[in-house]
Amino acid sequence: DVKVTQSSRYLVKRTGEKVFLECVQDMDHENMFWYRQDPGLGLRLIYFSYDVKMKEKGDIPEGYSVSREKKERFSLILESASTNQTSMYLCASNDAGRSNQPQHFGDGTRLSIL
Amino acid sequence: AQSVAQPEDQVNVAEGNPLTVKCTYSVSGNPYLFWYVQYPNRGLQFLLKYITGDNLVKGSYGFEAEFNKSQTSFHLKKPSALVSDSALYFCAVRDGAGNMLTFGGGTRLMVKP
Repeated sequence: DVKVTQSSRYLVKRTGEKVFLECVQDMDHENMFWYRQDPGLGLRLIYFSYDVKMKEKGDIPEGYSVSREKKERFSLILESASTNQTSMYLCASNDAGRSNQPQHFGDGTRLSIL
Repeated sequence: AQSVAQPEDQVNVAEGNPLTVKCTYSVSGNPYLFWYVQYPNRGLQFLLKYITGDNLVKGSYGFEAEFNKSQTSFHLKKPSALVSDSALYFCAVRDGAGNMLTFGGGTRLMVKP
């Protein structure tokens, strides 16, 4: 079974802090994704990475950056956290070579910015 | 641009009754369609997908979905609901050429005993 692990289930930070959310997958997937989930809005893509050091902006990249130094790890960075970034953050991965395969999700990080 | 609409925020059904969760989509190329389920405090779990072929797709936990190209719909169905089916359900679409999924807003399914 594919395992996508997010380092924290719950996180509380203060406005202006730099926040790191970490995600690791164990299936050697090329593609990794960061989403945020808000009630009524579904999941919105923040950033997508298709290889080490490669990234593409999603629908809502403002205020976020990402890092992919190793294939198995994809980090989401909130450069200067703001209260409107309080949300559930979900990481996902899938195999780029099998384009019809579903994405596999971690259990999420519920982030509160005070 | 691709989009997904789930017109019902919540669907209520009695245990043992059939259930339907609705999804309509818009995409420029051939649609790849997915249903996911989310239980409380968990990530999304894959239920089923339509890529090509038979319009009726069977998935996990007894769920199935019907692809209707003319109505651009991909409704999720189950013949007999269980209380344990109560969860948040997401429909998602991407075109055949892309990597990025677009999700609907989600539908909360409540199955009452």
